Amino acid sequence: EADIYQTPRYLVIGTGKKITLECSQTMGHDKMYWYQQDPGMELHLIHYSYGVNSTEKGDLSSESTVSRIRTEHFPLTLESARPSHTSQYLCASQKAGSSYNEQFFGPGTRLTVL
Amino acid sequence: QQQVKQSPQSLIVQKGGIPIINCAYENTAFDYFPWYQQFPGKGPALLIAIRPDVSEKKEGRFTISFNKSAKQFSLHIMDSQPGDSATYFCAASRGAQKLVFGQGTRLTINP
Repeated sequence: EADIYQTPRYLVIGTGKKITLECSQTMGHDKMYWYQQDPGMELHLIHYSYGVNSTEKGDLSSESTVSRIRTEHFPLTLESARPSHTSQYLCASQKAGSSYNEQFFGPGTRLTVL
Repeated sequence: QQQVKQSPQSLIVQKGGIPIINCAYENTAFDYFPWYQQFPGKGPALLIAIRPDVSEKKEGRFTISFNKSAKQFSLHIMDSQPGDSATYFCAASRGAQKLVFGQGTRLTINP
């Protein structure tokens, strides 16, 4: 069982609200990722981090921002939510060193913006 | 060059059948090819993975077949069960670079 947690699991908010999706892992992994999963299943990498104070944008452009102040914590923030942000957001972590290391995924946050 | 193309998008198989999911890649530098399994309401989880120095890997009822010359790899599920119904993702990576995921296959095993 992977020790990676996401809160909230479900969130319904109105347009223009600021939101933060939380992701925490207790495995001491240096690498962490945020994916956006659309209804058609496809996983899109939107942010990643290879360690504290290191963040990079992923392959899919996103209006969200991330921070990595602590190894175990990788929150994602939307300053002003819009209906186009409605999606499933998945956080993952991975042990640094070997590229063959497994990525462990959290259960996801399903965000609906009205 | 960085894409991994997965097919089919959805697949329905009777219990006991052998579903096959295929993936193709362009980047010959990829050296790691995992498959992830995702159940509804859960995040994906690693199922099985292969490196290009072998042509086949089995773990229980799950087998990866790898064809380096064709730049293709596939997942076979032997004696499929309704509990195997899930979304499956292939992926590929090179060295310490990020995983590139396929588009996903929604598999349904009918009883």
